[in-house]
Amino acid sequence: DAGVIQSPRHEVTEMGQEVTLRCKPISGHDYLFWYRQTMMRGLELLIYFNNNVPIDDSGMPEDRFSAKMPNASFSTLKIQPSEPRDSAVYFCASSQQGLRYGYTFGSGTRLTVV
Amino acid sequence: SQQGEEDPQALSIQEGENATMNCSYKTSINNLQWYRQNSGRGLVHLILIRSNEREKHSGRLRVTLDTSKKSSSLLITASRAADTASYFCATDSGGAQKLVFGQGTRLTINP
Repeated sequence: DAGVIQSPRHEVTEMGQEVTLRCKPISGHDYLFWYRQTMMRGLELLIYFNNNVPIDDSGMPEDRFSAKMPNASFSTLKIQPSEPRDSAVYFCASSQQGLRYGYTFGSGTRLTVV
Repeated sequence: SQQGEEDPQALSIQEGENATMNCSYKTSINNLQWYRQNSGRGLVHLILIRSNEREKHSGRLRVTLDTSKKSSSLLITASRAADTASYFCATDSGGAQKLVFGQGTRLTINP
């Protein structure tokens, strides 16, 4: 398996623009997680899905953020409109049976909003 | 919010020495996990210890868990330059199927 695949690896956008981050989880994993990492706040869980259904989105900072998982092999995290404070590394991770085993993380998307 | 807190925040040792990192958490857990993150990369799962376990080994890694003190430690024996990375502990949050990560320990192994 190629692991969790995220795209793009780097994204630079202007304030106010829409940004879409993509994730392909490991086949057979039934949980998918979106995390954001910054120096100031560390790793924050934004949202997670189980069998494509959003379970907990309490970490989504505000209405500008939305996430979807239309099928078991694809998820998106969208920011509209983007702001400079959204600059961070966004990680997608997947797991089998939740916390029974460890998470597998993607390589992340480094987002810079100027 | 942070559930786990690692100590120390940074650790620098000589190659061949042992490295010990500690993690404390606040609420009861089902399991605790340790992850490694190399600079510019994603996190890699190292080891999982369940709340009814006290110690676990994986290669040069040894993890202990003391649920009475709400603390865990990660020991890396015979460190190598390739062990240079940030190490995070993560705990579940009261039965929910999600992990909450600490701020991490930056480990530097000097050749």
